Amino acid sequence: NAGVTQTPKFQVLKTGQSMTLQCAQDMNHNSMYWYRQDPGMGLRLIYYSASEGTTDKGEVPNGYNVSRLNKREFSLRLESAAPSQTSVYFCASRNPGIDTQYFGPGTRLTVL
Amino acid sequence: AQSVAQPEDQVNVAEGNPLTVKCTYSVSGNPYLFWYVQYPNRGLQFLLKYITGDNLVKGSYGFEAEFNKSQTSFHLKKPSALVSDSALYFCAVRASDRGSTLGRLYFGRGTQLTVWP
Repeated sequence: NAGVTQTPKFQVLKTGQSMTLQCAQDMNHNSMYWYRQDPGMGLRLIYYSASEGTTDKGEVPNGYNVSRLNKREFSLRLESAAPSQTSVYFCASRNPGIDTQYFGPGTRLTVL
Repeated sequence: AQSVAQPEDQVNVAEGNPLTVKCTYSVSGNPYLFWYVQYPNRGLQFLLKYITGDNLVKGSYGFEAEFNKSQTSFHLKKPSALVSDSALYFCAVRASDRGSTLGRLYFGRGTQLTVWP
């Protein structure tokens, strides 16, 4: 039982490049989330998904797209990376029975 | 609108002393309140939560938190701090209303706790 896994752990991009951050959970949770963490800003929600095939915008969705490929996987895509997207990205899934979110280890992204 | 304030960016305390990390919240309806901890280069880990019932909630690693509805606060406490408690602590809130979407959490900015030997 790995919980929530994220790949890659680190990534450096040039402005304008694209990439996809991968997230998977093996806890059979319906709800999944993408956050970004910036110093002094806490965690801000980018997108979330109630179930396979549904996604909704969070607090800071501009510049991102998401795909809920199946119940396990929820990916985040940067189509044209900008320096303002330099951040640490966390994926989470939620156990509704105990109302708790479980977080992955994060992806540290630098956009030059 | 939901929001969380953690008024202290940093809290420093000596090992063995009690610690408090402060959190106040704003939410429509009854609040569901959470504390998470983040160790360096790791994801967030759940510590404890308040949903309903006893205002004093006990969680992992000897931490507890006190819900105060009149002061809209949910301060994290520990009677005797350890050096290993040094980490970044986040308070989070969500509304209990049926309109609350998907358990969406609103996080504070975090408080860096340093426990010195």
